[in-house]
Amino acid sequence: KAGVTQTPRYLIKTRGQQVTLSCSPISGHRSVSWYQQTPGQGLQFLFEYFSETQRNKGNFPGRFSGRQFSNSRSEMNVSTLELGDSALYLCASSLEGFGTEAFFGQGTRLTVV
Amino acid sequence: DAKTTQPNSMESNEEEPVHLPCNHSTISGTDYIHWYRQLPSQGPEYVIHGLTSNVNNRMASLAIAEDRKSSTLILHRATLRDAAVYYCILWSGANNLFFGTGTRLTVIP
Repeated sequence: KAGVTQTPRYLIKTRGQQVTLSCSPISGHRSVSWYQQTPGQGLQFLFEYFSETQRNKGNFPGRFSGRQFSNSRSEMNVSTLELGDSALYLCASSLEGFGTEAFFGQGTRLTVV
Repeated sequence: DAKTTQPNSMESNEEEPVHLPCNHSTISGTDYIHWYRQLPSQGPEYVIHGLTSNVNNRMASLAIAEDRKSSTLILHRATLRDAAVYYCILWSGANNLFFGTGTRLTVIP
């Protein structure tokens, strides 16, 4: 079966702009989680969506938001981009949540200049 | 938040067993212990998870201490493909997902 697909793979944005990243989970998976990975902070949990509702949230400012559609596809939005938002953004899908096996996409590399 | 402590790096010879340790002294009774690994330029990949008992699957074994304050991921025969960063994660639902810095495993041919 197809894996988790993230688009785009690479993105360059300017400070102050906003960006939307997309994640298509594995068919049948209802949970989608988002993570930010940077060399300094490692992998940090952003939020989790389950059946179109945000179920869990990490410690990130309100500039980071997301949503999930009825087909379980999810989008993550970052507004008013800062240089420190440059990172690899990963999404993971699972049947019920992180307690079950999660499958990660290859990520979107965001560079803010 | 319950956190984990892992060595920054380890080395292993190819086809030798590898024991990757993880300390989690503040683990709570409902925390599951998950292991993921991340190969270069890829997203993390699930390896194994457990709660109290030792667990085995086709990739690895997970040995959990009786007091659950530590665990060990065992790769029975390391291959070059096993070179990755290995993350030990505690999860009990809600918002306390913490990946830590992981252990970078180098496999020597």
